[in-house]
Amino acid sequence: GQQLNQSPQSMFIQEGEDVSMNCTSSSIFNTWLWYKQDPGEGPVLLIALYKAGELTSNGRLTAQFGITRKDSFLNISASIPSDVGIYFCAGHLSGANSKLTFGKGITLSVRP
Amino acid sequence: GAVVSQHPSWVICKSGTSVKIECRSLDFQATTMFWYRQFPKQSLMLMATSNEGSKATYEQGVEKDKFLINHASLTLSTLTVTSAHPEDSSFYICSAKGQGAGYGYTFGSGTRLTVV
Repeated sequence: GQQLNQSPQSMFIQEGEDVSMNCTSSSIFNTWLWYKQDPGEGPVLLIALYKAGELTSNGRLTAQFGITRKDSFLNISASIPSDVGIYFCAGHLSGANSKLTFGKGITLSVRP
Repeated sequence: GAVVSQHPSWVICKSGTSVKIECRSLDFQATTMFWYRQFPKQSLMLMATSNEGSKATYEQGVEKDKFLINHASLTLSTLTVTSAHPEDSSFYICSAKGQGAGYGYTFGSGTRLTVV
């Protein structure tokens, strides 16, 4: 099935740095979601975006819904060690058989 | 906020036996529940979608007789891995979607299945 494009697969940053992750799709969505997954756990929702152009913040996290509805980005500012994990983007298109389409995920490592 | 409880968090079973995994929405009614499988260092792979009171819709390539899904109430869905084999070992995650626009997709904490 379709999968969203997230790259690179891994990112390594220094504690305190900002990091930006991008997610692109060949088709449009009307909802974009960003999740974080810790080892051995299920994904936890970070930010949900419902409108093209929307910019939403959640603490040190900021995400935007691209105006073309085919992309989204997530920014993490002033990273801390607990930001380590896998970050997944997911797109959703309303409909009778609606479901989430996931990216492959980006593994973030934060060096103290 | 919306909470989804998944149980057990891990299970080890012998080849040929069946294992049941439960997914419960604790503080909302889940009109739709989803079951995913995740291999190490990979994304979530949707296995099936279940709506309360109706048969589950399986993704292409997923054996419906192998992975039995029951969504008997608005707060409970179960996944039964029948006649498990070592290749069924994986991390299984459920997700629930509630009624109303305010509920997104909430995930359970996952079940690590090891078949020996």
